[in-house]
Amino acid sequence: SAVISQKPSRDICQRGTSLTIQCQVDSQVTMMFWYRQQPGQSLTLIATANQGSEATYESGFVIDKFPISRPNLTFSTLTVSNMSPEDSSIYLCSVPLGGNYGYTFGSGTRLTVV
Amino acid sequence: AQKITQTQPGMFVQEKEAVTLDCTYDTSDQSYGLFWYKQPSSGEMIFLIYQGSYDEQNATEGRYSLNFQKARKSANLVISASQLGDSAMYFCAMREGGNRDDKIIFGKGTRLHILP
Repeated sequence: SAVISQKPSRDICQRGTSLTIQCQVDSQVTMMFWYRQQPGQSLTLIATANQGSEATYESGFVIDKFPISRPNLTFSTLTVSNMSPEDSSIYLCSVPLGGNYGYTFGSGTRLTVV
Repeated sequence: AQKITQTQPGMFVQEKEAVTLDCTYDTSDQSYGLFWYKQPSSGEMIFLIYQGSYDEQNATEGRYSLNFQKARKSANLVISASQLGDSAMYFCAMREGGNRDDKIIFGKGTRLHILP
């Protein structure tokens, strides 16, 4: 199964600033997914990052706020821009394992905006 | 409308008892996949079990089984002989369509507490 290295694991940021989260996968994958998990809530899909094309954003999420890069088949970044306290969440990346083996997740980035 | 519904926000179960976590789903696709994930307090997402819409038998993985009732659009997780380490958040998730690389969406989750 794929292994994902996600960085940073946590950060405390000032409002109005931006944070870029990185996910590195140890194998090539076509799709990568970015999720947000607000405190005490479930995972909400932000966008799907397909290498070589623009990311596809879910309703309620926009590229200006959450720009995504996918330069190759093993790496992606999510930027949380112009942060406000409402952006305080855990952000997770995920890739499909193929077949029936579910999806593997990065360890998450716990973001606190003050 | 919610695609995945988990109606039990929280459950308390005595250790060694069996647990059933409810999940219903809504899709018009004929081909889809259903997943259960465990999220302990550490925050990691642990894949537990998968059921494909065309699978005739219920999926099983060790102490986990998925009670799949297609006509009812129900995919309940059964944990046999619960253990203290089973205390965690449990999420039901679905992938619509037959593309195994496609996105999955999650239900709101059930927080399971195992009592000693």
